[in-house]
Amino acid sequence: EVVLTQSPVTLSLSPGERATLSCRASQRVNIYLAWYQHKPGQAPRLLIYDASNRAPGIPARFSGSGSGTDFTLTISSLEPEDFAVYYCQQRGTFGGGTTVEIK
Amino acid sequence: QVQLVESGGGVVQPGRSLRLSCAASRFTFSRYGMHWVRQAPGKGLEWVAVISDDGDNRYYADSVKGRFTISRDNSRNTLYLQVDSLRTEDTAIYHCAKDKYSFGYTPDSWGQGISVTVSS
Repeated sequence: EVVLTQSPVTLSLSPGERATLSCRASQRVNIYLAWYQHKPGQAPRLLIYDASNRAPGIPARFSGSGSGTDFTLTISSLEPEDFAVYYCQQRGTFGGGTTVEIK
Repeated sequence: QVQLVESGGGVVQPGRSLRLSCAASRFTFSRYGMHWVRQAPGKGLEWVAVISDDGDNRYYADSVKGRFTISRDNSRNTLYLQVDSLRTEDTAIYHCAKDKYSFGYTPDSWGQGISVTVSS
């Protein structure tokens, strides 16, 4: 079973800054990796699927890249509503999450 | 806009059972795979189970295999999760989610979740 390791655990940034989140898989997963945003009390939201495809309705400031074992979610310029927890996922496994908090 | 509404949660003693339901609307339910994903207090997301559009394929996380059963009724647009032999570590918010495909591992729309607390 694949293990997904996300880093950093917490990212402290200001609105307008660039966020770079990492997800490393314990074995090659080709491009089959997704990213989700989750805010307390809300339903998680699919941002990126198949490593780099934005889900419908997701703003262009969110982008995904990578293949094999190393993947990245980039938020080009943080908006106030982007402060949340982000998870990567591959088949039946989620990473531990990265919290993007306001600095 | 896809709508998924979970129900059937509550407080239950260890060893007992519950059946969670997820009412789906605003999409063609019978064409998509469906998932259950949970989040224990203070923890991250944990995938629980998936079922294909026709119900023929079902897979489970090792942590729930043999105790949980995912099923669906396409005539009622409803997904179910039968949870038996509950343990305290099953305490969580349980979300149902629609897959992007007829069977896959890309949940693309999620419900708000329902709380299950296992406590004596």
